[in-house]
Amino acid sequence: QVTLKESGPGILQPSQTLSLTCTFSGFSLSTYGMGVGWIRQPSGKGLEWLANIWWDDDNYYNPSLKNRLTISKDTSNNQAFLKITNVDTADSATYYCARIAYGGYSVYVMDAWGQGASVTVSS
Amino acid sequence: DIQMTQSPSSMSVSLGDTVTITCRASQDVGIYVIWFQQKPGKSPRRMIYRATNLADGVPSRFSGSRSGSDYSLTISSLESEDVADYHCLQYDEYPWTFGGGTKLELK
Repeated sequence: QVTLKESGPGILQPSQTLSLTCTFSGFSLSTYGMGVGWIRQPSGKGLEWLANIWWDDDNYYNPSLKNRLTISKDTSNNQAFLKITNVDTADSATYYCARIAYGGYSVYVMDAWGQGASVTVSS
Repeated sequence: DIQMTQSPSSMSVSLGDTVTITCRASQDVGIYVIWFQQKPGKSPRRMIYRATNLADGVPSRFSGSRSGSDYSLTISSLESEDVADYHCLQYDEYPWTFGGGTKLELK
């Protein structure tokens, strides 16, 4: 069974750096074709893809966030991380991580999501 | 960036209806479209992947289709548990992009 769970600070102030952790089980980021993606959703709005990290450390970012994003992973501890620098109120959202997959495992793209971590940016 | 134009943004529906939601891709994304269902306060749930494949555990009244650059999710004989928000995603090309979402509401 694949599970993912996001954790984050809950509340932070403008200009701070948001650090999010995705802790998962049921798959490994050392397995060829596996990855983790981050997606966010402001309250009452649509979904926005943020970043992906793959088993081979390849990563991709949404250019709309203009180099504010850093994605990383700790394969040994089954965790993926996302940092967003210089946050403002527009970054207030629920942040999700999801399993992604490539090649022979591509049927598993976004088949499992975490419960989401609510983040509020407020002074 | 590839735009996924989703329509309608909201729809008033009745139980037993056949409902169709469409995403139009601004350029070719092949089969790389996923449809998600999302209920209030919950995470998205994958319903259709690779445009037409039913995800595990999803009722057979859900189906996905493609006609050119138009991707559709159809719910046959709508049940109360299907009233939710629906989102499409293209994952053919970075940045991956979602449609704007469709909210189903009961009449």
